[in-house]
Amino acid sequence: GNSVTQMEGPVTLSEEAFLTINCTYTATGYPSLFWYVQYPGEGLQLLLKATKADDKGSNKGFEATYRKETTSFHLEKGSVQVSDSAVYFCALSDPGTGANNLFFGTGTRLTVIP
Amino acid sequence: NAGVTQTPKFQVLKTGQSMTLQCAQDMNHEYMSWYRQDPGMGLRLIHYSVGAGITDQGEVPNGYNVSRSTTEDFPLRLLSAAPSQTSVYFCASKSTGALRITGELFFGEGSRLTVL
Repeated sequence: GNSVTQMEGPVTLSEEAFLTINCTYTATGYPSLFWYVQYPGEGLQLLLKATKADDKGSNKGFEATYRKETTSFHLEKGSVQVSDSAVYFCALSDPGTGANNLFFGTGTRLTVIP
Repeated sequence: NAGVTQTPKFQVLKTGQSMTLQCAQDMNHEYMSWYRQDPGMGLRLIHYSVGAGITDQGEVPNGYNVSRSTTEDFPLRLLSAAPSQTSVYFCASKSTGALRITGELFFGEGSRLTVL
């Protein structure tokens, strides 16, 4: 089956610190991989994506590389800001359904302190 | 620029009551879906639809019904609410091209439901 495993949170960092949020997946086919972000009181929004092995997704200083050999898609940012405080979700698409439904991890809450 | 609109934002029900969560999108998206978000469990897919007149079950469909009579609307019905259905519900949609070429899922702001 399909599943996504994220590192447990919450994560608390000081401003300008380096961020890594680990994500590994299990999939039956060749999924696309995503990071979504949820700011307080809002719905989820796409942060970045990668559709095939070795692709790197990037946006707003965040990066993640699709590693098929380790089935991983870790999220990184070199210098976090207070405005990055949010919940981050790793997700994969399921091409087997024909609708590319998304399967989400449990989410990792990040708090950045000044 | 409405995007995906969910109503109500908050609702309290008693066990056994019924209600409908409304979802509407104005982006002409063929695909629409409902997720529930629970602490420690992330988002789980309840039902989805790939077009008007077509619906299918996700991971956790029991206790919920859906219909898709128009492209714009995808209501979620709870026929007899239970405390286990206390959750935050999100509606999401994406464009037709994304059915095969994976694309961005657009989310509503969520509906917080409490069942006493």
